[in-house]
Amino acid sequence: DTEVTQTPKHLVMGMTNKKSLKCEQHMGHRAMYWYKQKAKKPPELMFVYSYEKLSINESVPSRFSPECPNSSLLNLHLHALQPEDSALYLCASSFVGNEQFFGPGTRLTVL
Amino acid sequence: AQSVSQHNHHVILSEAASLELGCNYSYGGTVNLFWYVQYPGQHLQLLLKYFSGDPLVKGIKGFEAEFIKSKFSFNLRKPSVQWSDTAEYFCAVIPMDSSYKLIFGSGTRLLVRP
Repeated sequence: DTEVTQTPKHLVMGMTNKKSLKCEQHMGHRAMYWYKQKAKKPPELMFVYSYEKLSINESVPSRFSPECPNSSLLNLHLHALQPEDSALYLCASSFVGNEQFFGPGTRLTVL
Repeated sequence: AQSVSQHNHHVILSEAASLELGCNYSYGGTVNLFWYVQYPGQHLQLLLKYFSGDPLVKGIKGFEAEFIKSKFSFNLRKPSVQWSDTAEYFCAVIPMDSSYKLIFGSGTRLLVRP
């Protein structure tokens, strides 16, 4: 299985809502990532988990809260987002230093 | 700061034309190099990668890339493009002293006209 799955595919939320994005991989990768991608731009790294521990936070606002419950799962909890947070949120996983496998993303719209 | 530059932001070609997309990176140490492709409405996929060895690497769908260490370059090539190659192409680098951070170039949008 060489796939990273993400749910939901689309999410519309108001600025006062709380929602979560989910990501799963079964490739045995011990590094997992959250990226944000705006239209016509490259992905921007948000968080990196290595062996289920947060190793990189790219100065992301606290309204985004990552969680890694186990080596296969990665969540991104969202609360009190702003309209400018609307974007495609990508999850990826890899062996350290190797190519990252990307999921299809969650298209988030904040109203 | 470490960065990846892609010189061509938009490229328009006719089918069967040859393709070369430029990529340069600014980092003096050891790097792993990648080209990713994002077809319209699809997720990022790996085209090819270079870690070490033969600097000419072959990837999927007839793509290849050449690593030239002295020029800090990793250019992508395809001898004859097809309409289905229309996509966004990203060059990316992992500096080996920061093994988690995949640094992307700004991307090149390729349009192939039938």
